[in-house]
Amino acid sequence: EAQVTQNPRYLITVTGKKLTVTCSQNMNHEYMSWYRQDPGLGLRQIYYSMNVEVTDKGDVPEGYKVSRKEKRNFPLILESPSPNQTSLYFCASSLETGRGPLHFGNGTRLTVT
Amino acid sequence: DAKTTQPNSMESNEEEPVHLPCNHSTISGTDYIHWYRQLPSQGPEYVIHGLTSNVNNRMASLAIAEDRKSSTLILHRATLRDAAVYYCILRAPNAGGTSYGKLTFGQGTILTVHP
Repeated sequence: EAQVTQNPRYLITVTGKKLTVTCSQNMNHEYMSWYRQDPGLGLRQIYYSMNVEVTDKGDVPEGYKVSRKEKRNFPLILESPSPNQTSLYFCASSLETGRGPLHFGNGTRLTVT
Repeated sequence: DAKTTQPNSMESNEEEPVHLPCNHSTISGTDYIHWYRQLPSQGPEYVIHGLTSNVNNRMASLAIAEDRKSSTLILHRATLRDAAVYYCILRAPNAGGTSYGKLTFGQGTILTVHP
């Protein structure tokens, strides 16, 4: 089944403890992206990647890192999480061309205390 | 970045048609218009997209204005399962477009469907 898989679904951590949220897609998509969703603010893009080893900042990249060493994986790294990064995170992928739909994962709910 | 504007909320009765509008006055000539919806506790899901002509699929229809500065997502017979947040976004078809990698979703339209 074609899908975008995020792990974990839920994560509670403490301030400053490095964490990684994984995202994997099995559709051979070139484009991948991370979003965070907060009440009243909609979906905001954190980082995106056009292809392997090509990443760029979205609207809210501060405090996050990403890497794209393989086509299928696009992990989101929080080197030193802070409480303001408590949010619902979504990963998405699509074919390189903007003509195709975005496929989203089921989300990761992160709480930083 | 190309921006879209949608009403914050809309209401409908079950089994009636719903027309969800989206304004995108700064759309470029090659941007595709995409619609997604997000059910409670789920990730956004693709609904439909189009370029110039009206489009139909099993979920909905997309009506695009002749000048492409606005579009309307049409749910022909709303059901309770259609209650969701609906997002309209623009996607460039290639790397030359400003909406290629960087995408702006906005807050979308909250659709409430009454039984």
